Amino acid sequence: DGGITQSPKYLFRKEGQNVTLSCEQNLNHDAMYWYRQDPGQGLRLIYYSQIVNDFQKGDIAEGYSVSREKKESFPLTVTSAQKNPTAFYLCASTPRGPGTEAFFGQGTRLTVV
Amino acid sequence: KQEVTQIPAALSVPEGENLVLNCSFTDSAIYNLQWFRQDPGKGLTSLLLIQSSQREQTSGRLNASLDKSSGRSTLYIAASQPGDSATYLCAVGRMTTDSWGKLQFGAGTQVVVTP
Repeated sequence: DGGITQSPKYLFRKEGQNVTLSCEQNLNHDAMYWYRQDPGQGLRLIYYSQIVNDFQKGDIAEGYSVSREKKESFPLTVTSAQKNPTAFYLCASTPRGPGTEAFFGQGTRLTVV
Repeated sequence: KQEVTQIPAALSVPEGENLVLNCSFTDSAIYNLQWFRQDPGKGLTSLLLIQSSQREQTSGRLNASLDKSSGRSTLYIAASQPGDSATYLCAVGRMTTDSWGKLQFGAGTQVVVTP
């Protein structure tokens, strides 16, 4: 089945730690995105990549980093510089070009302990 | 800056009633509008995609309209069922000079359909 796989489903981070969230897609989509969801708020864009080896900051990139070494993979690292990392993180992908349909993974819930 | 608003934030209806969910946006320069469903603790499932040149899209019991000039979209769900209970999110495709595919989301409408 084609789709987007995010792992792990739940992740716990201690203060001062960096953690990496995985996102893999087998839809052959060119573009991939990371969004953050907080209770009562809409999803906010963290980073996006439209082509391998290139990525751009979204609206709330501070404290996060990404890489895009393969078309299928777009991992997100939440660094210790992110002051309020507890949230639900969603990865998405779209085919090339404007107006295309976005598909989402099942999300990773990150909690600071 | 594009802002997307969904009103009401929560809605409860008896089974069999039609659902009407509203989405408004401030900038009519959009590529498309997409409606999603989200179950608790889960990811987003795409329901309908409307291109900026289209007026509506239909899929089974779902119908979504788009009035770009007034910045509004409405999602209709006919003959609601308890299984329709979920949060419904709308998102507009942001039209920018440097990229495509970025979505601007509303906060969602939480729907409960009571048996």
